[in-house]
Amino acid sequence: GQQVMQIPQYQHVQEGEDFTTYCNSSTTLSNIQWYKQRPGGHPVFLIQLVKSGEVKKQKRLTFQFGEAKKNSSLHITATQTTDVGTYFCAPYMDSNYQLIWGAGTKLIIKP
Amino acid sequence: NAGVMQNPRHLVRRRGQEARLRCSPMKGHSHVYWYRQLPEEGLKFMVYLQKENIIDESGMPKERFSAEFPKEGPSILRIQQVVRGDSAAYFCASSPPRGKYEQYFGPGTRLTVT
Repeated sequence: GQQVMQIPQYQHVQEGEDFTTYCNSSTTLSNIQWYKQRPGGHPVFLIQLVKSGEVKKQKRLTFQFGEAKKNSSLHITATQTTDVGTYFCAPYMDSNYQLIWGAGTKLIIKP
Repeated sequence: NAGVMQNPRHLVRRRGQEARLRCSPMKGHSHVYWYRQLPEEGLKFMVYLQKENIIDESGMPKERFSAEFPKEGPSILRIQQVVRGDSAAYFCASSPPRGKYEQYFGPGTRLTVT
């Protein structure tokens, strides 16, 4: 079935450094959603991207949807301790009205 | 507007017992999804339901697991004769009818099988 690859699995950064996670699909996506899950918490919706080449910003977070609508990225500038958690990409599948979840990228702030 | 509610938040069952997990979707939402998550792992889709209908249960084991979303009341995920491998966090999410909307998650039920 349809799968999406998300990399890296983990990223350790010093507070203040940037963080990026990438999501790749072998097929064209109609849209893609991003979620954040804090340790011990539940996934929380961040954003949805629909258009080819779309770029959306939320404060220090920048979300991009590739021109071919096969990949997406989330970039966090100057990470803070509140950014700690796992970030999931989730393309929406028109064929079965469901989200296909990436494995997630865990953001860890080095002490 | 209350969010998605799940209960219980924590459930301990002995091997062989039954576990019943409940999910009340957000008001106005008619689509419910159940996911399972093991520690340090991603979300695994189990089942997608609409009121009184199972739309897709391809992610749910064929034995011991069942789900329903009745016309009235919460959605129920039922696990019969639990085994240690069933220990996990079970999340429910809901979304509005029609369209490619985001999913709203409940706080989850942490099931521990002893």
